[in-house]
Amino acid sequence: EPEVTQTPSHQVTQMGQEVILRCVPISNHLYFYWYRQILGQKVEFLVSFYNNEISEKSEIFDDQFSVERPDGSNFTLKIRSTKLEDSAMYFCASKRRGAHNEQFFGPGTRLTVL
Amino acid sequence: QQQVKQSPQSLIVQKGGIPIINCAYENTAFDYFPWYQQFPGKGPALLIAIRPDVSEKKEGRFTISFNKSAKQFSLHIMDSQPGDSATYFCAASKEGSGGGADGLTFGKGTHLIIQP
Repeated sequence: EPEVTQTPSHQVTQMGQEVILRCVPISNHLYFYWYRQILGQKVEFLVSFYNNEISEKSEIFDDQFSVERPDGSNFTLKIRSTKLEDSAMYFCASKRRGAHNEQFFGPGTRLTVL
Repeated sequence: QQQVKQSPQSLIVQKGGIPIINCAYENTAFDYFPWYQQFPGKGPALLIAIRPDVSEKKEGRFTISFNKSAKQFSLHIMDSQPGDSATYFCAASKEGSGGGADGLTFGKGTHLIIQP
């Protein structure tokens, strides 16, 4: 069964450094999402992406964040200058066209900012 | 208005019992209501979803009940098993045109333990 994959599984970085989190969505999916989950808390929407542009973003997704689909398979989230409070699990999700809003999540990347 | 309120925060049920998890939403534009199951260290997995044109949906041992007038929906797990022990999240979104790309608004989660 096809699934969303994410790399790395765990990223440790110093405050102020840039990080790029990578996702490979399910191959026939056209809508892509990033969410984060701070330890023990709920999953929070960051951004959605369709047709090579951002469709919707939350107030969390400020100028420090950017997303990109650099090729036909990868979808990336960049945090330009990490803060301690960016420490969280980051989940990528994808959805195919016309499938209600059935979003399939990857296993996540645990980001630790020191 | 975007919030989804979920209760209880934690729940312990004996094997074979029927845990019930409740959610309430405020935004009347929401028209898609999924439930996700999450095991420790894993991503949320889509379990079952409902749209407001029906009041109940069953898939295997999982049932969603939906009350549009009260803006509430709930998850029932029949014949619960220890393997069902996980965190369960309700969520809501607008579908958008042609399926849309709307983000999901999640509840805070329910930590469910099924005791053998």
